[in-house]
Amino acid sequence: QSVLTQPPSASETPGQRVSISCSGSNSNVGSYQVFWYQQLSGTAPKLLIQNDNRRPSGVPDRFSGSRSGTSASLAISGLRSEDEADYYCSSWDDSLSAWVFGGGTKLTVL
Amino acid sequence: QVPPRQLGGGLLKPSETLSLTCAVDGGPFTTFHWGWIRQPPGKGLEWIGEVHQGGGEYNPSLQSRVTISADMSRKQFSLTMTSLTAADTAIYYCARGYGMTSWGQGTKVTVSS
Repeated sequence: QSVLTQPPSASETPGQRVSISCSGSNSNVGSYQVFWYQQLSGTAPKLLIQNDNRRPSGVPDRFSGSRSGTSASLAISGLRSEDEADYYCSSWDDSLSAWVFGGGTKLTVL
Repeated sequence: QVPPRQLGGGLLKPSETLSLTCAVDGGPFTTFHWGWIRQPPGKGLEWIGEVHQGGGEYNPSLQSRVTISADMSRKQFSLTMTSLTAADTAIYYCARGYGMTSWGQGTKVTVSS
């Protein structure tokens, strides 16, 4: 059981927009910034969004993040087949004094 | 920035101790957070702990078995996990930065008799 809640799966057709949610509580998402990671099959996770909505250098602007209250979301527009991956959210939790992850969302590009 | 480079791993027996090291090639060392994360086969990510200038924190569920240390002169940081069981079988990743902004390539660790 993950501290942050993500839908286990999402799917959309190429060119469309998909949003992945990440739900937490006041001790994590409600108080601390959210980070998003993309994990392509068989590879290490890669930072996609930091500090709620900042894209690291090299991440296309098709990827965007937002946070409101105790929830955050990752949006991917103009979906491409290479976006098919697992996506994870993470935040610091001050009641656990630990970083916590969502369970991951498997994105399928139909 | 070059991702951290992982060393170690492999097959271990139950009750043995795991030792993994990550090397930082280039760039500053003392100003960053350095952490470890693991991923059991077919499952999600689990944060193990991190070390930084101000000290370190550990996942409460692993704290009794885990030590993370940093060697600033060699620009390396290490994970030690004791009393291994099959449940510790996973890919172990090291990562740099607050929020785990750059990840190592991962090391497969199998615990089996």
